[in-house]
Amino acid sequence: QSVLTQPPSVSAAPGQKVTISCSGTSSNIGYNFVSWYQQLPGTAPKLLIYDNNKRPSGIPDRISGSKSGTSATLGITGLQTGDEADYYCGTWDTRLSAWVFGGGTKLTVL
Amino acid sequence: QVQLQESGPGLVKPSETLSLTCTVPGGSISRYYWSWIRQPPGKGLEYIGYIYHRGSTNYNPSLKSRVTISVDTSKNQFSLKLRSVTAADTAVYYCASLVTSLNWIDSWGQGTLVTVSS
Repeated sequence: QSVLTQPPSVSAAPGQKVTISCSGTSSNIGYNFVSWYQQLPGTAPKLLIYDNNKRPSGIPDRISGSKSGTSATLGITGLQTGDEADYYCGTWDTRLSAWVFGGGTKLTVL
Repeated sequence: QVQLQESGPGLVKPSETLSLTCTVPGGSISRYYWSWIRQPPGKGLEYIGYIYHRGSTNYNPSLKSRVTISVDTSKNQFSLKLRSVTAADTAVYYCASLVTSLNWIDSWGQGTLVTVSS
């Protein structure tokens, strides 16, 4: 059971938009910054979003992040087949004094 | 971002100690909290812990009794020891760099599969 809650799967057609939610509590998302990671099949996770809504260099602007209260959302527009991957949210949990992840969401581009 | 490389045995017997090492780029050892994260086959990511170059550590409460993370700044390496392993510890183990603000994980190693089996 993950500390952060994500939907197990989402899907959308190429070119469409998808959002992935991440729900937490006041001791993690409600108090700290959220980051998002993309894990392509058979590879290590890669940073997509940091500090709730910032993109590292090389991440396209069709990728976005937001946070409100104890929830965060990852958005991807202009979906491509290459976006098919598992997506994880993560943050520091102040009560646990540990990093926590969501359970991951599998994105399927139909 | 930095390049990280895990190394260590891919097979460990039950009840023994899993040992892995991660090599980090020279000159970067003081820039991050050096972390271990694992992923059981077909499952999600689990934080194990981190160490700072000065030796301070943080461990996942669920693993704390079995985990030790250490650092060797002269070799630009940090290491993981997980004691008394069982089949449930079979996973891909990643080393990673956690920024010192604790806000995000900057870089990941490629990961190494460790199987616990007799």
